[in-house]
Amino acid sequence: DTEVTQTPKHLVMGMTNKKSLKCEQHMGHRAMYWYKQKAKKPPELMFVYSYEKLSINESVPSRFSPECPNSSLLNLHLHALQPEDSALYLCASRGQGMATEAFFGQGTRLTVV
Amino acid sequence: QQQVKQSPQSLIVQKGGISIINCAYENTAFDYFPWYQQFPGKGPALLIAIRPDVSEKKEGRFTISFNKSAKQFSLHIMDSQPGDSATYFCAASDPTTSGSRLTFGEGTQLTVNP
Repeated sequence: DTEVTQTPKHLVMGMTNKKSLKCEQHMGHRAMYWYKQKAKKPPELMFVYSYEKLSINESVPSRFSPECPNSSLLNLHLHALQPEDSALYLCASRGQGMATEAFFGQGTRLTVV
Repeated sequence: QQQVKQSPQSLIVQKGGISIINCAYENTAFDYFPWYQQFPGKGPALLIAIRPDVSEKKEGRFTISFNKSAKQFSLHIMDSQPGDSATYFCAASDPTTSGSRLTFGEGTQLTVNP
């Protein structure tokens, strides 16, 4: 099973709302990632969790708050977003060790109105 | 600094033809080079990957050619089909970073005409 499951698939939120994106994997992967992808662009790294600890924050605004409750779950809490934050948000996971595969979820299409 | 350069930006191929997408990298620490296929509204799907100790890897109609000295690698899609129409991203993994972060190329939009 190489599945990374993201919920919800679509989300529309106002600029004053608080919402959360969820990601789950059961491959035993200890590295998990959040990416943001705009149309016709490659995925852009936001956060990296390694062994449930935040190891990389790519200078992401504080209105995005990641959380890793356990080794299988990854959340992204959203608050006071801007319309320019509308994008496809992707979760990925990867095993540790040399040159291992990274698998992506299907993404959450976020629209901020 | 763009560490992985991908070309062409778009590609149109006739059904049954060969699609070729090229990538070049700069960071010699990269140790793993995957290709992802992405359909509109979907997440990237791992297509095929290669490690630098191998010069070629083939899986079905998809082949990666890797030239370590030139720091280049390419994806060849044989007998291209309309269902292959998608955006393709090359990537490279840096094991010196936390989580061995992937650096992506800018993507190639492939259209296979029937």
